[in-house]
Amino acid sequence: QQPVQSPQAVILREGEDAVINCSSSKALYSVHWYRQKHGEAPVFLMILLKGGEQKGHDKISASFNEKKQQSSLYLTASQLSYSGTYFCGTVTRLGRDDKIIFGKGTRLHILP
Amino acid sequence: SQTIHQWPATLVQPVGSPLSLECTVEGTSNPNLYWYRQAAGRGLQLLFYSVGIGQISSEVPQNLSASRPQDRQFILSSKKLLLSDSGFYLCAWSVLAEQYFGPGTRLTVT
Repeated sequence: QQPVQSPQAVILREGEDAVINCSSSKALYSVHWYRQKHGEAPVFLMILLKGGEQKGHDKISASFNEKKQQSSLYLTASQLSYSGTYFCGTVTRLGRDDKIIFGKGTRLHILP
Repeated sequence: SQTIHQWPATLVQPVGSPLSLECTVEGTSNPNLYWYRQAAGRGLQLLFYSVGIGQISSEVPQNLSASRPQDRQFILSSKKLLLSDSGFYLCAWSVLAEQYFGPGTRLTVT
């Protein structure tokens, strides 16, 4: 089952904060976040594992609520370089053949 | 460090022609390998994945096929391309849950 991302798109001014949500109807083992700029491959941002955790680097962080099967990506004091499409991906079980199922993406556009 | 290569970077092919896209990974052993397709402005559709040499799982029935002849080589093929095969083809690898994408091949079928 494909995770659901919200919002579908967001426009911000530089310096504003953004939150992107990802929810699943199934129990999750892990949540993966990627950013894709136009014409480029997705770039790995972070992975959050079962057990409920928060992670972050620079001004981008994420949380994983295992009970609610939800994850949120937080972008603080957004920069122009944050523009792109953000994908969350979910894994429902740990195994040799585990695979990530991606959401449809959230388009983020940062204005100067 | 690990590196993933894909070629060619761009490709224009006529309808009905064959296709072969190659992906190789360096710096890791026994990775899981994946082929994704992304239509213009759309999400990431998983096409095939492989957990080992000769082991291929298909996610979407279509006119594409995949093979893994060596541990770090993954090939996507088609005998006859359709217009709907146009898109951005991404190879990815994973070890211990983290997954990384290659630079992609942009395929236009005319």
